[in-house]
Amino acid sequence: EVQLVESGGGLVQPGGSLRLSCAASGFTLSSYGMNWVRQAPGKGLEWVSYISSSVGTIDYADSVEGRFTISRDNAKNSLYLQMNSLRAEDTAVYYCARPQEYYDYVWGRYRPLHMDVWGKGTTVTVSS
Amino acid sequence: DIQMTQSPSSLSASVGDRVTITCRASQGISNYLAWYQHKQGKVPKLLIYAASTLQSGVPSRFSGSGSGTDFTLTISSLQPEDVATYYCQKYNSAPLTFGQGTKLEIK
Repeated sequence: EVQLVESGGGLVQPGGSLRLSCAASGFTLSSYGMNWVRQAPGKGLEWVSYISSSVGTIDYADSVEGRFTISRDNAKNSLYLQMNSLRAEDTAVYYCARPQEYYDYVWGRYRPLHMDVWGKGTTVTVSS
Repeated sequence: DIQMTQSPSSLSASVGDRVTITCRASQGISNYLAWYQHKQGKVPKLLIYAASTLQSGVPSRFSGSGSGTDFTLTISSLQPEDVATYYCQKYNSAPLTFGQGTKLEIK
């Protein structure tokens, strides 16, 4: 069964750091790009970051650029999100999600498409 | 950045009704659009991709249409299990923006 399981959420003070993990099973993570998506309490879905299947392409939402770092360890079939300088507005459920991908020959990079597999999410609360 | 605007923000309809949700992009995105269903306490579920392609396993009462800037999600005959919030999302380029969501309830 294809599955994604997030972990690492918790309560952290403003300005603190947290590292989220996403363990993939039922498929080979190295063959896929991956996304992080979040949902703040009472709000809609917000895309956070994308990392391509092959090394080289990473995208971030403006709201997290410079503070969050996405990475992957294909040997461990795992995805990560290092979150630094956390703010109250980063409080949310964080989902990892698997998109289909295509290679954009014009721009020489991979691009994510629709997300067909989602984890159940891990909750991050930033509060003093 | 391209903005995605859904309407209405909320909707109440009766079982068996035909329901339509619209999504408008502030610039053309070809057909790089997906629709997701998000039930309370559950994981978001992909319904439609490439604007009109039904994801495997999704009931045929769901359909999508549109290209460029204007898109629609249609439920041909509303069922009680369709109560959820529905989101469109564009993926032609980063940022992969979602619409603000449409909350669908049963009347």
